[in-house]
Amino acid sequence: AQSVAQPEDQVNVAEGNPLTVKCTYSVSGNPYLFWYVQYPNRGLQFLLKYITGDNLVKGSYGFEAEFNKSQTSFHLKKPSALVSDSALYFCAVRDGSGTGGFKTIFGAGTRLFVKA
Amino acid sequence: EPEVTQTPSHQVTQMGQEVILRCVPISNHLYFYWYRQILGQKVEFLVSFYNNEISEKSEIFDDQFSVERPDGSNFTLKIRSTKLEDSAMYFCASTVRGGYGYTFGSGTRLTVV
Repeated sequence: AQSVAQPEDQVNVAEGNPLTVKCTYSVSGNPYLFWYVQYPNRGLQFLLKYITGDNLVKGSYGFEAEFNKSQTSFHLKKPSALVSDSALYFCAVRDGSGTGGFKTIFGAGTRLFVKA
Repeated sequence: EPEVTQTPSHQVTQMGQEVILRCVPISNHLYFYWYRQILGQKVEFLVSFYNNEISEKSEIFDDQFSVERPDGSNFTLKIRSTKLEDSAMYFCASTVRGGYGYTFGSGTRLTVV
């Protein structure tokens, strides 16, 4: 079974500072890992994914994430936070070895608050 | 950019009534999903649909729920007899294949009174 943990309900950071949003996962097969962002009263938007290859993946809006197999982590990072980055961030995992539906399981979400 | 379209954006229904939530996935996508989110919190998987049949469903997706792809474009979620606890934001999503992220619709806010 797949599972995702986002240990922080909220992350606070000052504008211009680097940010990290943590995620750990559990999956029996090969992990396909994703980050999504949700702005108020909106649907989820895809930010980036890790399927295979380089452990550091780059995505939209200057975000990147680092896949660490030994720690089963996929933390989201950005070198310099913007106030407009304030939103709810979801880490998600899919079992890449699976067949059929490619169900994705989402973490509980981390609210990022960037202060000006 | 292609979008997943959901209608209506907001639906209010009385407990015990049937509701149908509608989605138009991206045209070349092959996998379709329904998720729900209660009070802006955790996003919960309901069902996945591929090749005109359900691939997987969660324990939430009981006999009161059903999905259908009646034509080549629409993908619907039906709740036969709504309960108060069905009140949530329902999101439709689609993807072209397994290695890709989902494209989500904007959601339907279902309020059961």
